[in-house]
Amino acid sequence: SQQGEEDPQALSIQEGENATMNCSYKTSINNLQWYRQNSGRGLVHLILIRSNEREKHSGRLRVTLDTSKKSSSLLITASRAADTASYFCATDYTGTASKLTFGTGTRLQVTL
Amino acid sequence: GAVVSQHPSRVICKSGTSVKIECRSLDFQATTMFWYRQFPKKSLMLMATSNEGSKATYEQGVEKDKFLINHASLTLSTLTVTSAHPEDSSFYICSARSPDGLGEKLFFGSGTQLSVL
Repeated sequence: SQQGEEDPQALSIQEGENATMNCSYKTSINNLQWYRQNSGRGLVHLILIRSNEREKHSGRLRVTLDTSKKSSSLLITASRAADTASYFCATDYTGTASKLTFGTGTRLQVTL
Repeated sequence: GAVVSQHPSRVICKSGTSVKIECRSLDFQATTMFWYRQFPKKSLMLMATSNEGSKATYEQGVEKDKFLINHASLTLSTLTVTSAHPEDSSFYICSARSPDGLGEKLFFGSGTQLSVL
């Protein structure tokens, strides 16, 4: 299976703290994406980082990519209760989103 | 942004019946849509790629006759679970490529929770 592994599987933090999630994958990629899923809902695209990029920011999100280690991390700064969700990395080796492979996900719980 | 609408959001049916799930791109045309299946607290597994005007491409291990996909227009793809059984109970999600740029991102429907009794 080419499915990525994410860790931790579950993360519980308090509001205001930072949350870091990691993703490891197995094959060479064109890009890596992070998605968020609220319970019982569809996924929402958060950020895309290409294989030739090392770091990318979007608001309170910071994504890093280390292609030599085949790993990525998602940092959410100053977390809020509304950030409670599952977060999935997805790797794309085609560049066409036709074969996005999703990781196992990290369930983030942000408490007040 | 691009909006993908999926319904029904929840369906409960008796074993042996067929269930149709619709996925629509509301404000853009989608020549390709994707259907995923997700088990509780698990990742998404790609089932098939739906191609407008042609046959769907199924992933290995997915029964074509069980999961019928039709993509008759540029804004609508349907997944029909035929002769559903309890083991087909799952969360089904559709998606379409973003219409802008390279189409690298996916926009997802809100999902359909299927429960087969």
